[in-house]
Parts: sequence; C-alpha cells; structure tokens
Amino acid sequence: GAGVSQSPSNKVTEKGKDVELRCDPISGHTALYWYRQRLGQGLEFLIYFQGNSAPDKSGLPSDRFSAERTGESVSTLTIQRTQQEDSAVYLCASSLLNRQGATLNEQFFGPGTRLTVL
Amino acid sequence: GQNIDQPTEMTATEGAIVQINCTYQTSGFNGLFWYQQHAGEAPTFLSYNVLDGLEEKGRFSSFLSRSKGYSYLLLKELQMKDSASYLCAALTKAAGNKLTFGGGTRVLVKP
Repeated sequence: GAGVSQSPSNKVTEKGKDVELRCDPISGHTALYWYRQRLGQGLEFLIYFQGNSAPDKSGLPSDRFSAERTGESVSTLTIQRTQQEDSAVYLCASSLLNRQGATLNEQFFGPGTRLTVL
Repeated sequence: GQNIDQPTEMTATEGAIVQINCTYQTSGFNGLFWYQQHAGEAPTFLSYNVLDGLEEKGRFSSFLSRSKGYSYLLLKELQMKDSASYLCAALTKAAGNKLTFGGGTRVLVKP
C-alpha cells in the first residue's frame, strides 16, 4: 500500500515569505508527527497529533510555526515569515495507536521536505 | 523531561561487530525503538523492545534493560551499506505517548 507522502520534496524560498508543507499519512493511522532535521543533526520533535486529542505542540520553536490536521488525514505545517535558520528537512511520520493511545510499533516516515531559506 | 543519550559517531571495519549504546531517563516508559537513517533519506524502523532482553533480527539485534534505562543495538558482520545514522527513541507516557528521539549515532564502516 501507499506510504507516507510529503509535498513538496524541495522548497526554496526567500527570507520573510510564508511556506506550507503537506503530509499525507498512511490511511488509518491516527497518530501523526512532524519533525525537523538540520544537516547532520538528530530529529527535533515539532508537533504530534494523536487521534482526536488536542495536539501536542510543545516542540514548535516559535509562534511562526503552526500545524493543522483534518480529521485523521492530511496535515499541513505552516512557517510564517521564514528565517534562514528554518532551513532544514521537515519529516512527517504516522503510526497506529493502541487502545491506551500509545504509538503502536513503528512510525512510518515520509521522504521529507527540504526547505531552503535564502 | 525526557533525556536520551547515545554516542555521536562510531567507526568500524567491514565484517566486524559494532554495539551502539543508548541510555534514557524517562518516566512512564513504554518501549524503545531503533531506526536507521541513510544520508539524505528518511529513517526506517529497525526494532522495538518493550520487555527486557535481546531481540534478534538477522544481523541486527537490540537489547533492553528497563531497570537500567539502557538499550543497545548490535550490528554484526558489518557491510559497507550499514554506514548510516542509528536513532534511538523512547516511547513514554509522560511525553503523551509519543516518541522522543536521541541525537543519533553516525556509524562509518571502513573496508
């Protein structure tokens, strides 16, 4: 079946512009994560959508970052007034949840969106 | 908060064995994941441990000790294609049942 998809795969923008990144999770996956990964660095957690619960936004670095998810499907990550330090790969992952609401087994990652802010 | 530590880099020779350690300090621990990430690619799942002990999958094995807050990933019969970053991640209730990743260990396999 189809995996997690993300678009665009690459985005080059000018400082100060807004960008919108899209993630299509695997159908039926109720948990969805956004991460940021700078070159040569680990995964930095941004936001977590867990079923119908309120999203965990504790990882968003500033109020320029926001994300939405429509039901259990598509999610968009929006970065307003982009800065050069926002340049990174933005990864989306989805997973099933067990009855206790915990991530079941593995997260499936999308290919990422490489954002370059000039 | 959640604290997950793993070495930054390791170098090993083709055909050898490498052990990547991961220590975690979390509350409400619900399991430990290992992922592999090749340069420029997305992470892919390797293993999941929730009970103490060793899980073996071909050349890769993962070990967990809940009482010690410790896990390791063992890579045997190293191949050049195993050069990648290996990410340790803990699943914790305290973090809202989401995964928290360590910084990753870059493994370089030399001929």
